[in-house]
Amino acid sequence: DQQVKQNSPSLSVQEGRISILNCDYTNSMFDYFLWYKKYPAEGPTFLISISSIKDKNEDGRFTVFLNKSAKHLSLHIVPSQPGDSAVYFCAGIDSWGKLQFGAGTQVVVTP
Amino acid sequence: DTAVSQTPKYLVTQMGNDKSIKCEQNLGHDTMYWYKQDSKKFLKIMFSYNNKELIINETVPNRFSPKSPDKAHLNLHINSLELGDSAVYFCASSQDTRRNNEQFFGPGTRLTVL
Repeated sequence: DQQVKQNSPSLSVQEGRISILNCDYTNSMFDYFLWYKKYPAEGPTFLISISSIKDKNEDGRFTVFLNKSAKHLSLHIVPSQPGDSAVYFCAGIDSWGKLQFGAGTQVVVTP
Repeated sequence: DTAVSQTPKYLVTQMGNDKSIKCEQNLGHDTMYWYKQDSKKFLKIMFSYNNKELIINETVPNRFSPKSPDKAHLNLHINSLELGDSAVYFCASSQDTRRNNEQFFGPGTRLTVL
């Protein structure tokens, strides 16, 4: 029972353009959402988070948007850089404090 | 300096064997976790310990037994390994159990059961 879904397994974007990664969730009890970035052969690293009481959080080139009514969040990366090529995981924190992850989206930034 | 380290990085073994994966964090965190990333790439929590006490125990076969000798270490022992145990196992830690705490992940251990 996947509570967090990332329906796009991959995304290719040109350097300098915007990358938009989408995430949908089913558990209305999630009160905190996080994005993690993962390079091959490494563990995920925290990127940005958002509380469910907010609809936007920005950190440098990364902005996360939350639409609670649609149970949807998105991560915007602008401008995209070659070093952004990685797998991005969306996660929600459930009422037990457990991170529930999506399957990830592979981003490839091309020159 | 590695914050969360795991050994070994790769583990290849035969069905039926018993193996352990070790995890150590030097961040001074109170809470540690084990996750399994299966072939479909989903990361799923298995266990969580806070100050050496088990606080999350997902529906995991009891062939899997975590052990926390101190709050900087959380080891995972797996008995009678099965083919379906092949996966990447990630250890993680966080400052404490507060819900918005960032979790720091280790590099993963790729377990292959033949």
